[in-house]
Amino acid sequence: NAGVTQTPKFQVLKTGQSMTLQCAQDMNHNSMYWYRQDPGMGLRLIYYSASEGTTDKGEVPNGYNVSRLNKREFSLRLESAAPSQTSVYFCASSSRLAGGSHEQYFGPGTRLTVT
Amino acid sequence: AQSVTQLGSHVSVSEGALVLLRCNYSSSVPPYLFWYVQYPNQGLQLLLKYTSAATLVKGINDFEAEFKKSETSFHLTKPSAHMSDAAEYFCAVSDLSNFGNEKLTFGTGTRLTIIP
Repeated sequence: NAGVTQTPKFQVLKTGQSMTLQCAQDMNHNSMYWYRQDPGMGLRLIYYSASEGTTDKGEVPNGYNVSRLNKREFSLRLESAAPSQTSVYFCASSSRLAGGSHEQYFGPGTRLTVT
Repeated sequence: AQSVTQLGSHVSVSEGALVLLRCNYSSSVPPYLFWYVQYPNQGLQLLLKYTSAATLVKGINDFEAEFKKSETSFHLTKPSAHMSDAAEYFCAVSDLSNFGNEKLTFGTGTRLTIIP
């Protein structure tokens, strides 16, 4: 199993450009997440999807949109990139296990720079 | 609302010394607690988790953590640091008060440096 995969690994955008970050998981998980990681701020949830066909805002959703294309794939779109969106983006997935445990599995990240 | 506080954004220990990384949580319901590790330029990897079974939890690479409800703490320890332990460590909390809500709230992280 590949686990959680993300593309691209690196991206440089100019202010105002748009792009989509792709994420896929092969663990048959129901829930998927997008985080951004900034120095000294830990991971902050942008959007999440509890199941195929549903999405909800997290802590920092402004400037982003998401699509849960199917159970495997969850994409993050920046419509008009801003320098404040320079960050490392992580996708994660999880599924409720017997006893309630639901640890998240993370992808390798996308390092995005907006100039 | 739940929250996590990690005391010390940077911790340095000598190789072979005890590692202690602190985590305190706030949750209105019994929490699930996690420690994740992030090596340079990688994603997060689960070290260990507490899910209301034993209060002393053992994880990978000889790490362990003890859930102390009275102190609302879940500190991470390792008896003897190794150079390969140099990484950033994140504590996270979740609760299942809302069915299907599997969101985690992360602390801001502690960067562990090992001194040869």
